[in-house]
Amino acid sequence: AQKVTQAQTEISVVEKEDVTLDCVYETRDTTYYLFWYKQPPSGELVFLIRRNSFDEQNEISGRYSWNFQKSTSSFNFTITASQVVDSAVYFCALSEADFGNEKLTFGTGTRLTIIP
Amino acid sequence: KAGVTQTPRYLIKTRGQQVTLSCSPISGHRSVSWYQQTPGQGLQFLFEYFSETQRNKGNFPGRFSGRQFSNSRSEMNVSTLELGDSALYLCASSSGSSYNEQFFGPGTRLTVL
Repeated sequence: AQKVTQAQTEISVVEKEDVTLDCVYETRDTTYYLFWYKQPPSGELVFLIRRNSFDEQNEISGRYSWNFQKSTSSFNFTITASQVVDSAVYFCALSEADFGNEKLTFGTGTRLTIIP
Repeated sequence: KAGVTQTPRYLIKTRGQQVTLSCSPISGHRSVSWYQQTPGQGLQFLFEYFSETQRNKGNFPGRFSGRQFSNSRSEMNVSTLELGDSALYLCASSSGSSYNEQFFGPGTRLTVL
């Protein structure tokens, strides 16, 4: 069975600090996808990134970066120079890559608070 | 391109009643998935519909059911509501390909009294 663990329940940092959100996953599949979603107070999940299991390159998008390491089954997310608007709950999710399997398994989320 | 819409946004029901929630996916998307989010259980997959057929199902009792129409709009029904059904119900839309990139709606917050 698939499993996603986000051990950090809540994190608070002062604005402009860097912060890393951890995600560890379990799957027996060799092909899978990993995601990060942001959930602001409005409740809507906002897609941030998708990564397939064959692509271990780190990715940077503005102040956001992701570190995927298959050896440790981790897909960590770093926000550089955090801003108050980054305050939200962040979810890591895992999906099998079989066609027709549109099921996401989510972690429990990390609530990030940026203190101005 | 319009996003995923869900109606109603808020709903209050009493135990024993039934409720129907609606989701309109992004135009051209054929897959609609439903998720339940509660403080205790987090985000849990309910079921997924693709081309009017249920393609995947999570571990929820039969009181939870759904359907999808020919225009890809989907409805979710919960019968005999229980207090524990109080949750945010999120609908996600995708093209239905193996990429599994899902776009979520704002959710329907259901409160059962």
